[in-house]
Amino acid sequence: DGGITQSPKYLFRKEGQNVTLSCEQNLNHDAMYWYRQDPGQGLRLIYYSQIVNDFQKGDIAEGYSVSREKKESFPLTVTSAQKNPTAFYLCASSDPPSNQPQHFGDGTRLSIL
Amino acid sequence: QKEVEQDPGPLSVPEGAIVSLNCTYSNSAFQYFMWYRQYSRKGPELLMYTYSSGNKEDGRFTAQVDKSSKYISLFIRDSQPSDSATYLCAMSVYNTDKLIFGTGTRLQVFP
Repeated sequence: DGGITQSPKYLFRKEGQNVTLSCEQNLNHDAMYWYRQDPGQGLRLIYYSQIVNDFQKGDIAEGYSVSREKKESFPLTVTSAQKNPTAFYLCASSDPPSNQPQHFGDGTRLSIL
Repeated sequence: QKEVEQDPGPLSVPEGAIVSLNCTYSNSAFQYFMWYRQYSRKGPELLMYTYSSGNKEDGRFTAQVDKSSKYISLFIRDSQPSDSATYLCAMSVYNTDKLIFGTGTRLQVFP
């Protein structure tokens, strides 16, 4: 059954700590995305990758980092530089060509301890 | 002004009602339009995907795009309590990978 798996479902971060959110897809999609969702603000793009070993900053990349070493994996690290990390994080993927709809995982909720 | 505007609701309707959900946008270059449904603590699920103006129907759902008015709608016929969720519109410009999302409308269908 094809889909996008995000883990963990819930994550807690201490002050000064980096945490990594996992995103794995078995849809054979080239493009992958990370969004942050806050109440009343919709989805905001953090980073995206159109191909392995390449990625671009989205609208709110500060305090986050990503890697794309494998086609099926696109982990997101929330660094200590991100001062307001509490949010719902969503990973998505899509097929080329561009403008194909994105398909989402079930998210990771990150909270500050 | 946001590129995409969507009333946050909540919109509360009785079971069986016809629901109309709407988004307006300011960028006339948008050509691809999507509606997603998001249940609480879940990721968005694609409901409808349309290109340019016109209507598209899928079961109880109809998506409508009016590019001249920069207005898109999602109609739900014979609404069910299981339709209770947040509905997000999203749109993109040709040949880009970025989607611009509305903030979502929360819908409650009561029995």
